[in-house]
Amino acid sequence: GNSVTQMEGPVTLSEEAFLTINCTYTATGYPSLFWYVQYPGEGLQLLLKATKADDKGSNKGFEATYRKETTSFHLEKGSVQVSDSAVYFCALRMGGGYNKLIFGAGTRLAVHP
Amino acid sequence: SAVISQKPSRDICQRGTSLTIQCQVDSQVTMMFWYRQQPGQSLTLIATANQGSEATYESGFVIDKFPISRPNLTFSTLTVSNMSPEDSSIYLCSVEGDQPYNEQFFGPGTRLTVL
Repeated sequence: GNSVTQMEGPVTLSEEAFLTINCTYTATGYPSLFWYVQYPGEGLQLLLKATKADDKGSNKGFEATYRKETTSFHLEKGSVQVSDSAVYFCALRMGGGYNKLIFGAGTRLAVHP
Repeated sequence: SAVISQKPSRDICQRGTSLTIQCQVDSQVTMMFWYRQQPGQSLTLIATANQGSEATYESGFVIDKFPISRPNLTFSTLTVSNMSPEDSSIYLCSVEGDQPYNEQFFGPGTRLTVL
């Protein structure tokens, strides 16, 4: 079946460090891919998305590129801030009117000054 | 994007009781979703609720345990029935945005603790 695998956390970084959170997927078809972020005590917010192969989603300095050949959608940021500390979820949704989001396990990021 | 509110934001309940969670959206939406996030885990879809039809439940979730109402295009409720400590979770409502990307937007969640 369809699934999402994320690198395990927690990821601990110093401020201004480079961030990569790995995400790979298994899908029968061509899904849309998403990164959601959950800040402490808050609900999920859509961070970025990509709907087809080679698309790059970007927002707030974060980027992720839809790689069909490696079935990956890794999240990157060049210089993290303390305010980026949160849990990050990779998710996919199949097309054809199928609306269900399938989430990865989530990766907790802690950024220290 | 849609602005979604949920009530209550949190609750502590006794085993065997039921809790109804409300989800209100600031615009009319066709599809609403209810997710569960168990402690330290990812999100799992409970059911999809379209206005005017019965909710569609995912494998492992049944209507008797999680009855859902969808009386109009801006409101839905999820009831957690006959609760046990295993029902302690965050319950999130989400809605589908406009075409073409049909993004899903999430409410702030209801944190439920069952004693």
